[in-house]
This record gives sequence, structure tokens and C-alpha cells, in this order.
Amino acid sequence: QKEVEQDPGPLSVPEGAIVSLNCTYSNSAFQYFMWYRQYSRKGPELLMYTYSSGNKEDGRFTAQVDKSSKYISLFIRDSQPSDSATYLCAMSYSGGSNYKLTFGKGTLLTVNP
Amino acid sequence: DGGITQSPKYLFRKEGQNVTLSCEQNLNHDAMYWYRQDPGQGLRLIYYSQIVNDFQKGDIAEGYSVSREKKESFPLTVTSAQKNPTAFYLCASNRGLGTEAFFGQGTRLTVV
Repeated sequence: QKEVEQDPGPLSVPEGAIVSLNCTYSNSAFQYFMWYRQYSRKGPELLMYTYSSGNKEDGRFTAQVDKSSKYISLFIRDSQPSDSATYLCAMSYSGGSNYKLTFGKGTLLTVNP
Repeated sequence: DGGITQSPKYLFRKEGQNVTLSCEQNLNHDAMYWYRQDPGQGLRLIYYSQIVNDFQKGDIAEGYSVSREKKESFPLTVTSAQKNPTAFYLCASNRGLGTEAFFGQGTRLTVV
């Protein structure tokens, strides 16, 4: 079983739709969770960072963490064509000296005008 | 503006040649990372460094080498031993354990 699982999509939605992106993980040591947006041929851009269960909102984006289910989500409200990109989840350990970030493989999202 | 600068953006290498990718950050971050990204495979960790003059192998270190002589710089050398070097290479940094990581804009390496 891979440490982090993310549905690669592709996911296609109409403009204005609510988008739900998800990752599951197997290692209960993960405590820090991130979502990145990556446009084609560009570096990933940090969207959200959380370190506890619950919801965190930033504009049209909401990150949700459920540690009991080992499940994280990113919701995009009122999606725009400019949101079309690959979305990567990432997580890291809470202790020891391991600084490694573990990534999902990314979900390709297209928002159609 | 603070950030991570990778250069060059595009790089072409002949088979059998070593090539060095540059990564510089002015965020005063302790930790730096190199990832390789291939279509359908996500990001795979090559090397990471938690502190100056120290670095550790990641999941796919064979055929690569790094140095960390300065806090702000973490160059990656792709050697001729790397069997399939054509890929998109990403450098990242963060303040340390559990903190969010920031990425550069990447270097696309093509072997010709």
C-alpha cells in the first residue's frame, strides 16, 4: 500500500462548480498537510497548509483533514478556468529527524468556461 | 522578493556528460530538497539537506550528486551514470520539520 493515494483524474467541471479533491494516507505519523497547485511546466505553488484535524478556509479554498480516517480534502468553490491545473497533496512526519515530504501523484483538473 | 531560483529553465545534455542544475534561495530556510517529476509518477525525492555541509539520499539518488556548502545554495549534478535523466527537476526549501515547503520554477533537462 502506498503511503499517499490520490486519484489522478482527469477531472473536468463547468465553471462555477464546487470541486472536491481528495487524498488518503496510510501512515498515522503524518501530522502536517499541504495542498499545491501546479500549472503546466511550472513549479508547484503552495495553496493550503494545515497541521490539525478540521477545516481551514482561504478565500474560495477549504482544506479539510480527518486524521481518524486518514483522509484529506481540498474544496474549491465557484471554480474558475484559471483553476485548471494539477493539484498535489503533500504531508510530512511530526517527529524524529525525517524532513521528507511525501506527495500524492496529483489530480489534473480542468474547469470549462 | 523572497523565493527560490532555479537555473537554467531549459537544459540540453549530450549522453555521457555531467550537468549541474542550480538552486538558490533567499528565504533563510535550513532545509532544501531536489525532486524529479515525470509524467504519471508524481514527485520523487532525489536528495535533501537539513543543514549546511550535510545531506541525505532520497528515494532515487543513484546517478545524482549534491553539495551544500552554503545555506542558500543546493546544486544538483546529474551524472553520466543516471540512466534516464530526461525529466523536470524541482528544487524546494522549508524552515525544517513539519513546515510548509516552497518550490522553484523547475529545470527541464533533455538528453539529446
